[in-house]
Amino acid sequence: KAGVTQTPRYLIKTRGQQVTLSCSPISGHRSVSWYQQTPGQGLQFLFEYFSETQRNKGNFPGRFSGRQFSNSRSEMNVSTLELGDSALYLCASSLDLAGAYEQYFGPGTRLTVT
Amino acid sequence: DAKTTQPPSMDCAEGRAANLPCNHSTISGNEYVYWYRQIHSQGPQYIIHGLKNNETNEMASLIITEDRKSSTLILPHATLRDTAVYYCIVRAYTQGGSEKLVFGKGTKLTVNP
Repeated sequence: KAGVTQTPRYLIKTRGQQVTLSCSPISGHRSVSWYQQTPGQGLQFLFEYFSETQRNKGNFPGRFSGRQFSNSRSEMNVSTLELGDSALYLCASSLDLAGAYEQYFGPGTRLTVT
Repeated sequence: DAKTTQPPSMDCAEGRAANLPCNHSTISGNEYVYWYRQIHSQGPQYIIHGLKNNETNEMASLIITEDRKSSTLILPHATLRDTAVYYCIVRAYTQGGSEKLVFGKGTKLTVNP
């Protein structure tokens, strides 16, 4: 069974631009969560989607948004990029809501904002 | 905030058992102990989780104290590929609910040849 895939793997953007990252969960998994990882803050939870609905949200500004499609694939969008948004963005999928099942992470998208 | 405390770093000789401790003194009755690891530049990898009883799978063993205030992850025969940051996380197991993973700083395990 294929693992969680994320595209693109690397991305360079300029301040003020917006970016969309994509995540395809493991087949059959219905929950997708997003995390941001930086050297200073470590791994931080962004949000979780299940059945196309946002079920949980971390403490990030409204510039960070996401959505989930009927096939469980998910996208996250960051608008008006700031230098501090440079990070590894990780997507994780689980069979059902993440509170009940372990999560499986993708390789991440490395975003650099210049 | 993370509900766990782990040593920042540990070393282990290849072939020996690696015992990684975790303190979670404020753990609630419905919270499980989860372990993940992250090898450099990769996404975290699920290892094991448990509630009260000791657990074992093909990767590791998890020993939870009777009062559940601490636990130890055991890699029985560490290899160089086990060099990674290991995260201990406590989270509620809520059927139908949603509980995010809160990662702390973890323990950087270095397996030496």
